[in-house]
Amino acid sequence: GAVVSQHPSRVICKSGTSVKIECRSLDFQATTMFWYRQFPKKSLMLMATSNEGSKATYEQGVEKDKFLINHASLTLSTLTVTSAHPEDSSFYICSAANPGGLYEQYFGPGTRLTVT
Amino acid sequence: QKEVEQNSGPLSVPEGAIASLNCTYSDRGSQSFFWYRQYSGKSPELIMFIYSNGDKEDGRFTAQLNKASQYVSLLIRDSQPSDSATYLCAVNGRDSSYKLIFGSGTRLLVRP
Repeated sequence: GAVVSQHPSRVICKSGTSVKIECRSLDFQATTMFWYRQFPKKSLMLMATSNEGSKATYEQGVEKDKFLINHASLTLSTLTVTSAHPEDSSFYICSAANPGGLYEQYFGPGTRLTVT
Repeated sequence: QKEVEQNSGPLSVPEGAIASLNCTYSDRGSQSFFWYRQYSGKSPELIMFIYSNGDKEDGRFTAQLNKASQYVSLLIRDSQPSDSATYLCAVNGRDSSYKLIFGSGTRLLVRP
C-alpha cells in the first residue's frame, strides 16, 4: 500500500501552547487529505477534509479556529492544535486519498498528543 | 440507524479457522467499500477494497459485496493470532468529497 508519513509520532506539550502535526503523502499526490482523532477504545472521528489550495472543510462540532489545517502542497497537510488543553489529548491520524485508485484512504501512523 | 454498522464483537475464533466479519450500510448510492485493520494503539491499515458485486480475493482475505442487500463482508482464511485486531468497514460517501463513512469496528481474537 501507499505510504503516508506523519510527524511527530508523539508529543507532550503544556496547556496553552500550540502544536503542529505534519502529514506527508510519499507515493502519490494527494489533492485531498483527512484528519481524524481517536480516543482510547473509540471509533475514528473525522475532524476535517483538507483540500490542496483551498480551505479545509470541518465536520460539525469541530472548531476551525482551534484546529488549523493547511494543505499547501499536493503532498503535505498540517494540523495545528492551537492553545491546547488537556481535553485535546488524543490520537490524531491523517490520511491521504489516492486519486489514481478509488480514492481509497491510506493512513499515516498517527500522532499521540498529551497536553499537561 | 447508523450509516455503517458492524458488530463490535469480540469475535473469537481458533487458529486456522475462517473468520467472518460483516458490515451493513444504509446508503444505496455507495459505490466503494473498504476494509481496514487496526491494531491496538496503531493507525488503520487498508486491507482490501471492492466495488463490484461478488467476491474479491487477495491471499487469505476475501471481500464479498452484495449491493442489493447492502452488506459487505470480509473472510479471513487460516486465521492466525497475528490477525487479532479491530477490523473497520468503510463506505464512500454519496457526495464528491471522497469522505469515508466508518463503522465502529469488529474486534477479532484468534485463539492459539
